[in-house]
Amino acid sequence: SAVISQKPSRDICQRGTSLTIQCQVDSQVTMMFWYRQQPGQSLTLIATANQGSEATYESGFVIDKFPISRPNLTFSTLTVSNMSPEDSSIYLCSVVVAGRGYEQYFGPGTRLTVT
Amino acid sequence: RKEVEQDPGPFNVPEGATVAFNCTYSNSASQSFFWYRQDCRKEPKLLMSVYSSGNEDGRFTAQLNRASQYISLLIRDSKLSDSATYLCVALSGGYQKVTFGTGTKLQVIP
Repeated sequence: SAVISQKPSRDICQRGTSLTIQCQVDSQVTMMFWYRQQPGQSLTLIATANQGSEATYESGFVIDKFPISRPNLTFSTLTVSNMSPEDSSIYLCSVVVAGRGYEQYFGPGTRLTVT
Repeated sequence: RKEVEQDPGPFNVPEGATVAFNCTYSNSASQSFFWYRQDCRKEPKLLMSVYSSGNEDGRFTAQLNRASQYISLLIRDSKLSDSATYLCVALSGGYQKVTFGTGTKLQVIP
């Protein structure tokens, strides 16, 4: 398995500002993802964070709004830019660990409220 | 139609009961399936993989029916601690595409 930490665990931000969320994994992982989960909803994949290259974004998500960095195999950041109340959500970092097939683990999440 | 569909519930069952959830998927090319458990205000945690031949882990049994494109999760002898939302996950595209269902909420009642 993998132990994943995220910072901050929660934040309340004003519209128009930006927040950077950090994700740290206790081991090197190849695949790292960022998800969003809005209240009462399931998880929506924002992007795959690629080490040493630009992230791969899902439909509906763009780099200008959600820039992602992945400088190494244990760390990534997601920035939520120019926030609006619609960005209020839980943002989760996730990794896949090589082992018995495909096992995906999630960080504890960052609860963001935009006022 | 959603790629992965689940009955949102809630399923309210008494302690000790057996409960089953189904999850249907629309992409016939989906190759792997999983069940995750998510407690309130917590992150999802892997519960079990779903193998073609079906698999069991204690009180939990997972089944895959490729012909009808659904997977199931059976929980026997429900405990209060089983109360959570259960998310179905389908993988396709050589593990490149991960699709989560919206989850089924289970409430086990004393």
